[in-house]
Amino acid sequence: RKEVEQDPGPFNVPEGATVAFNCTYSNSASQSFFWYRQDCRKEPKLLMSVYSSGNEDGRFTAQLNRASQYISLLIRDSKLSDSATYLCVVGTYNFNKFYFGSGTKLNVKP
Amino acid sequence: DGGITQSPKYLFRKEGQNVTLSCEQNLNHDAMYWYRQDPGQGLRLIYYSQIVNDFQKGDIAEGYSVSREKKESFPLTVTSAQKNPTAFYLCATQGSANEKLFFGSGTQLSVL
Repeated sequence: RKEVEQDPGPFNVPEGATVAFNCTYSNSASQSFFWYRQDCRKEPKLLMSVYSSGNEDGRFTAQLNRASQYISLLIRDSKLSDSATYLCVVGTYNFNKFYFGSGTKLNVKP
Repeated sequence: DGGITQSPKYLFRKEGQNVTLSCEQNLNHDAMYWYRQDPGQGLRLIYYSQIVNDFQKGDIAEGYSVSREKKESFPLTVTSAQKNPTAFYLCATQGSANEKLFFGSGTQLSVL
């Protein structure tokens, strides 16, 4: 079983739609949680860290459910520029232990 | 500007050749990492280093080597023993445990 699992998509949505991604993780000792955005052949860039209390940054909302071991990302009012692959990243309290999902691809259409 | 510089952006390897990918950072971060990304897959850890003159193998270290002679630099050598080197290679740093990773812009390695 993979440490971090994501639906690869693609999610094809019209502009203005709301879309949600989920990510499950298997290690209950995980301490840190992140969503990164990656454009084709570019480096991943941090979208947001995910906290137990949930957090929001503009049109983006992230939630963590430790009991069920999943994190989610909600994008409201999708823009064409949101088209990218979204990576779920989970870390433990060790320098070497980050686990990456394979990414969920989002295509926002006009 | 503080950041991570990877070079070259594109690299071609001939069979039997060793090639070295450069990663330099001026973030003053102790931890540095090398990841490999194949299409449709998550990042996989090749090597990591928490401190100068020390590094550890990751999940897919075979066919790769690294050095950490300076805090700022963590070069990766793809040796001829790596039979399937075509991939996107990402260098990353981390300031302290539990913090986010910062990534360089990546090197696309292809085989001629």
